[in-house]
Amino acid sequence: DTAVSQTPKYLVTQMGNDKSIKCEQNLGHDTMYWYKQDSKKFLKIMFSYNNKELIINETVPNRFSPKSPDKAHLNLHINSLELGDSAVYFCASSFGSGAHTDTQYFGPGTRLTVL
Amino acid sequence: GEDVEQSLFLSVREGDSSVINCTYTDSSSTYLYWYKQEPGAGLQLLTYIFSNMDMKQDQRLTVLLNKKDKHLSLRIADTQTGDSAIYFCAEALLYGQNFVFGPGTRLSVLP
Repeated sequence: DTAVSQTPKYLVTQMGNDKSIKCEQNLGHDTMYWYKQDSKKFLKIMFSYNNKELIINETVPNRFSPKSPDKAHLNLHINSLELGDSAVYFCASSFGSGAHTDTQYFGPGTRLTVL
Repeated sequence: GEDVEQSLFLSVREGDSSVINCTYTDSSSTYLYWYKQEPGAGLQLLTYIFSNMDMKQDQRLTVLLNKKDKHLSLRIADTQTGDSAIYFCAEALLYGQNFVFGPGTRLSVLP
């Protein structure tokens, strides 16, 4: 059983396009996250979201927007893709409201390549 | 500021012990984590330790925490080729809804 799943696994697209990455968790978790892992493997949090609150890392461009149709899904929509957006994007989820005590479980990642 | 540092590479022989080190700067960390990332795969939670603990052992894994020096280590006993991966140290911050990850240590296990 897949706990946190993401689609697609690979995404190749042209600069300027708009794309979405989907994330689903079947763990019954309350909070979901998006991370960006760059080519040097540095992992940075982009968003954390639960039913009540969206917390945005202030360094994330507003071209990136999370969209949550329900508690089990948090999709990442990216407008006007740029070359620097190429990275692996990880979705994660945790119980609770996203506090420091919550252990996060990660999806397999989506490798985005912008040409 | 928040910063987590790790050495980027480690090579060991199969059967030896591996020790992966991590230092962090934020004294408000309450939980510290080790994640494993195999090639082309996502992050797998290996183990975590609460900041008031010095040591945690889980089968071949031993986590040591020196809170005074803000130093965390992961020891893998009897390292196997299947342990080859990138290991990320991460801290959960007291006041934010953030996990801060280190850059990852690439462990190579040689036969």
